[in-house]
Amino acid sequence: AQSVTQLDSHVSVSEGTPVLLRCNYSSSYSPSLFWYVQHPNKGLQLLLKYTSAATLVKGINGFEAEFKKSETSFHLTKPSAHMSDAAEYFCVVSEGYNFNKFYFGSGTKLNVKP
Amino acid sequence: DGGITQSPKYLFRKEGQNVTLSCEQNLNHDAMYWYRQDPGQGLRLIYYSQIVNDFQKGDIAEGYSVSREKKESFPLTVTSAQKNPTAFYLCASSIETGPRHFGDGTRLSIL
Repeated sequence: AQSVTQLDSHVSVSEGTPVLLRCNYSSSYSPSLFWYVQHPNKGLQLLLKYTSAATLVKGINGFEAEFKKSETSFHLTKPSAHMSDAAEYFCVVSEGYNFNKFYFGSGTKLNVKP
Repeated sequence: DGGITQSPKYLFRKEGQNVTLSCEQNLNHDAMYWYRQDPGQGLRLIYYSQIVNDFQKGDIAEGYSVSREKKESFPLTVTSAQKNPTAFYLCASSIETGPRHFGDGTRLSIL
Protein backbone atom coordinates (compact mmCIF):
# COMPACT_ATOMS: atom_id res chain seq x y z
CA ALA A 1 0.00 0.00 0.00
CA GLN A 2 1.08 3.52 -0.72
CA SER A 3 1.17 6.32 1.81
CA VAL A 4 2.83 9.64 2.41
CA THR A 5 3.80 11.30 5.68
CA GLN A 6 4.69 14.95 5.81
CA LEU A 7 6.55 15.25 9.06
CA ASP A 8 5.76 18.90 9.82
CA SER A 9 2.36 20.53 9.53
CA HIS A 10 3.90 24.02 9.88
CA VAL A 11 7.40 25.32 9.12
CA SER A 12 8.54 28.89 9.76
CA VAL A 13 11.73 30.38 8.31
CA SER A 14 13.18 33.83 7.88
CA GLU A 15 13.55 35.32 4.43
CA GLY A 16 16.91 34.43 2.93
CA THR A 17 17.40 31.28 5.04
CA PRO A 18 17.17 27.68 3.78
CA VAL A 19 13.91 25.79 3.52
CA LEU A 20 13.50 22.08 4.36
CA LEU A 21 10.11 20.38 4.07
CA ARG A 22 10.19 16.72 4.99
CA CYS A 23 8.35 13.85 3.31
CA ASN A 24 8.52 10.12 3.91
CA TYR A 25 6.69 7.58 1.82
CA SER A 26 5.85 3.91 1.78
CA SER A 27 5.39 2.04 -1.46
CA SER A 28 5.18 -1.54 -2.62
CA TYR A 29 6.45 -0.56 -6.05
CA SER A 30 9.04 1.76 -7.50
CA PRO A 31 7.20 4.99 -6.82
CA SER A 32 6.86 8.26 -8.63
CA LEU A 33 7.02 11.21 -6.26
CA PHE A 34 5.84 14.78 -6.62
CA TRP A 35 5.78 18.07 -4.77
CA TYR A 36 2.96 20.55 -5.33
CA VAL A 37 2.49 24.07 -3.96
CA GLN A 38 -0.85 25.69 -3.14
CA HIS A 39 -1.36 29.39 -2.45
CA PRO A 40 -4.49 30.39 -0.49
CA ASN A 41 -7.76 29.73 -2.31
CA LYS A 42 -5.91 28.52 -5.38
CA GLY A 43 -5.34 25.23 -7.12
CA LEU A 44 -2.15 23.22 -6.86
CA GLN A 45 0.92 23.84 -8.99
CA LEU A 46 3.46 21.13 -9.75
CA LEU A 47 6.91 22.05 -8.39
CA LEU A 48 8.84 18.95 -9.40
CA LYS A 49 8.56 15.20 -9.93
CA TYR A 50 10.73 12.11 -9.58
CA THR A 51 10.09 9.21 -11.95
CA SER A 52 13.13 6.90 -11.55
CA ALA A 53 15.66 9.04 -13.39
CA ALA A 54 18.14 11.24 -11.49
CA THR A 55 17.66 11.09 -7.74
CA LEU A 56 18.21 14.84 -7.34
CA VAL A 57 15.33 16.61 -9.00
CA LYS A 58 15.29 20.31 -9.76
CA GLY A 59 12.00 22.12 -9.96
CA ILE A 60 10.62 25.57 -10.47
CA ASN A 61 11.32 28.64 -8.33
CA GLY A 62 14.66 27.27 -7.09
CA PHE A 63 13.24 24.23 -5.30
CA GLU A 64 14.79 20.79 -5.47
CA ALA A 65 14.22 17.40 -3.87
CA GLU A 66 16.32 14.30 -3.40
CA PHE A 67 14.95 10.78 -3.64
CA LYS A 68 16.58 8.55 -1.01
CA LYS A 69 15.35 5.00 -1.36
CA SER A 70 17.22 3.72 1.71
CA GLU A 71 15.50 6.35 3.86
CA THR A 72 12.19 6.30 1.93
CA SER A 73 12.36 10.07 1.86
CA PHE A 74 11.77 12.84 -0.66
CA HIS A 75 12.50 16.07 1.18
CA LEU A 76 11.99 19.43 -0.52
CA THR A 77 14.66 22.11 -0.14
CA LYS A 78 15.46 25.63 -1.26
CA PRO A 79 18.70 27.45 -0.41
CA SER A 80 17.13 30.83 0.27
CA ALA A 81 13.48 31.49 1.13
CA HIS A 82 11.55 34.32 -0.47
CA MET A 83 8.40 35.92 0.88
CA SER A 84 6.50 34.61 -2.15
CA ASP A 85 7.30 31.03 -1.07
CA ALA A 86 4.79 31.27 1.77
CA ALA A 87 2.16 28.66 0.86
CA GLU A 88 1.14 25.08 1.58
CA TYR A 89 3.19 22.27 0.10
CA PHE A 90 2.00 18.74 -0.66
CA CYS A 91 4.09 15.64 -1.17
CA VAL A 92 2.46 13.01 -3.41
CA VAL A 93 3.32 9.39 -4.19
CA SER A 94 1.91 7.47 -7.09
CA GLU A 95 1.75 3.79 -7.88
CA GLY A 96 2.84 2.94 -11.35
CA TYR A 97 0.63 4.22 -14.14
CA ASN A 98 -2.72 4.11 -12.40
CA PHE A 99 -4.76 7.26 -12.86
CA ASN A 100 -6.42 6.94 -9.48
CA LYS A 101 -3.39 5.92 -7.45
CA PHE A 102 -2.06 9.30 -6.40
CA TYR A 103 -1.76 9.67 -2.64
CA PHE A 104 -1.46 13.14 -1.14
CA GLY A 105 0.22 14.00 2.13
CA SER A 106 -1.62 16.20 4.60
CA GLY A 107 0.42 19.26 3.67
CA THR A 108 3.04 21.55 5.24
CA LYS A 109 2.30 25.23 5.63
CA LEU A 110 5.42 27.33 5.09
CA ASN A 111 5.57 30.72 6.75
CA VAL A 112 8.32 33.13 5.69
CA LYS A 113 9.18 35.93 8.10
CA PRO A 114 10.65 39.20 6.88
CA ASP B 1 -3.54 31.00 -22.37
CA GLY B 2 -4.66 27.44 -21.79
CA GLY B 3 -5.96 26.39 -18.43
CA ILE B 4 -8.75 25.08 -16.27
CA THR B 5 -11.73 27.21 -15.28
CA GLN B 6 -13.84 26.29 -12.30
CA SER B 7 -17.09 28.05 -11.48
CA PRO B 8 -18.53 29.34 -9.35
CA LYS B 9 -15.77 30.31 -6.93
CA TYR B 10 -18.19 30.13 -3.97
CA LEU B 11 -21.36 28.06 -3.76
CA PHE B 12 -23.98 27.60 -1.08
CA ARG B 13 -26.21 24.57 -0.81
CA LYS B 14 -29.53 24.25 0.98
CA GLU B 15 -30.64 21.05 2.68
CA GLY B 16 -31.90 18.48 0.20
CA GLN B 17 -30.56 20.36 -2.79
CA ASN B 18 -28.30 19.09 -5.56
CA VAL B 19 -25.65 21.51 -6.81
CA THR B 20 -23.37 21.29 -9.82
CA LEU B 21 -19.79 22.52 -9.98
CA SER B 22 -18.42 23.40 -13.39
CA CYS B 23 -14.97 22.48 -14.71
CA GLU B 24 -13.84 23.44 -18.22
CA GLN B 25 -10.38 23.00 -19.76
CA ASN B 26 -8.90 24.19 -23.05
CA LEU B 27 -5.67 22.21 -22.73
CA ASN B 28 -6.88 19.36 -24.94
CA HIS B 29 -6.21 16.92 -22.09
CA ASP B 30 -7.86 13.52 -22.11
CA ALA B 31 -7.78 12.92 -18.36
CA MET B 32 -9.73 14.96 -15.82
CA TYR B 33 -10.13 14.61 -12.07
CA TRP B 34 -12.22 15.90 -9.17
CA TYR B 35 -10.69 16.18 -5.71
CA ARG B 36 -12.06 17.22 -2.34
CA GLN B 37 -9.87 19.15 0.08
CA ASP B 38 -10.68 19.49 3.79
CA PRO B 39 -8.65 21.61 6.25
CA GLY B 40 -5.48 19.88 7.42
CA GLN B 41 -5.90 17.06 4.97
CA GLY B 42 -4.50 16.22 1.59
CA LEU B 43 -6.63 15.91 -1.50
CA ARG B 44 -8.96 12.96 -1.85
CA LEU B 45 -10.09 11.68 -5.23
CA ILE B 46 -13.82 11.77 -5.94
CA TYR B 47 -14.02 10.78 -9.63
CA TYR B 48 -11.71 10.68 -12.60
CA SER B 49 -12.16 10.32 -16.34
CA GLN B 50 -9.55 9.07 -18.78
CA ILE B 51 -11.59 9.70 -21.90
CA VAL B 52 -14.89 11.14 -23.10
CA ASN B 53 -17.98 9.14 -22.07
CA ASP B 54 -16.04 7.19 -19.46
CA PHE B 55 -15.38 7.89 -15.79
CA GLN B 56 -14.42 5.94 -12.69
CA LYS B 57 -15.10 6.30 -8.98
CA GLY B 58 -12.32 7.45 -6.74
CA ASP B 59 -11.94 6.91 -3.02
CA ILE B 60 -14.91 9.03 -1.86
CA ALA B 61 -17.48 8.91 -4.69
CA GLU B 62 -20.56 8.37 -2.50
CA GLY B 63 -22.96 11.29 -2.73
CA TYR B 64 -21.37 12.66 -5.91
CA SER B 65 -21.99 12.17 -9.63
CA VAL B 66 -20.19 13.28 -12.80
CA SER B 67 -20.56 13.26 -16.56
CA ARG B 68 -18.04 13.52 -19.42
CA GLU B 69 -19.98 14.28 -22.58
CA LYS B 70 -17.29 16.58 -23.99
CA LYS B 71 -13.53 16.45 -23.74
CA GLU B 72 -13.43 20.00 -22.38
CA SER B 73 -16.00 19.60 -19.63
CA PHE B 74 -16.24 17.48 -16.48
CA PRO B 75 -19.03 18.77 -14.19
CA LEU B 76 -19.45 17.45 -10.66
CA THR B 77 -22.86 17.21 -8.97
CA VAL B 78 -22.98 17.16 -5.20
CA THR B 79 -26.21 15.38 -4.37
CA SER B 80 -28.38 15.58 -1.28
CA ALA B 81 -27.00 12.17 -0.34
CA GLN B 82 -23.65 13.80 0.49
CA LYS B 83 -24.23 14.65 4.14
CA ASN B 84 -21.04 16.59 4.71
CA PRO B 85 -20.43 18.55 1.50
CA THR B 86 -18.67 21.57 2.99
CA ALA B 87 -15.19 21.55 1.44
CA PHE B 88 -12.93 23.02 -1.21
CA TYR B 89 -13.34 21.20 -4.54
CA LEU B 90 -10.54 21.08 -7.08
CA CYS B 91 -10.68 19.99 -10.70
CA ALA B 92 -7.52 18.89 -12.51
CA SER B 93 -6.50 17.60 -15.90
CA SER B 94 -3.51 15.89 -17.46
CA ILE B 95 -2.13 14.48 -20.67
CA GLU B 96 -0.31 11.80 -18.70
CA THR B 97 -1.12 9.79 -15.61
CA GLY B 98 -1.89 11.85 -12.56
CA PRO B 99 -3.17 15.41 -12.09
CA ARG B 100 -0.98 18.03 -13.72
CA HIS B 101 -2.98 21.25 -14.07
CA PHE B 102 -5.45 22.43 -11.45
CA GLY B 103 -8.25 24.94 -11.47
CA ASP B 104 -8.60 27.54 -8.71
CA GLY B 105 -11.31 25.60 -6.92
CA THR B 106 -14.89 26.00 -5.74
CA ARG B 107 -15.64 26.48 -2.05
CA LEU B 108 -18.95 24.84 -1.14
CA SER B 109 -20.78 25.67 2.06
CA ILE B 110 -24.09 24.70 3.61
CA LEU B 111 -26.78 27.31 4.23
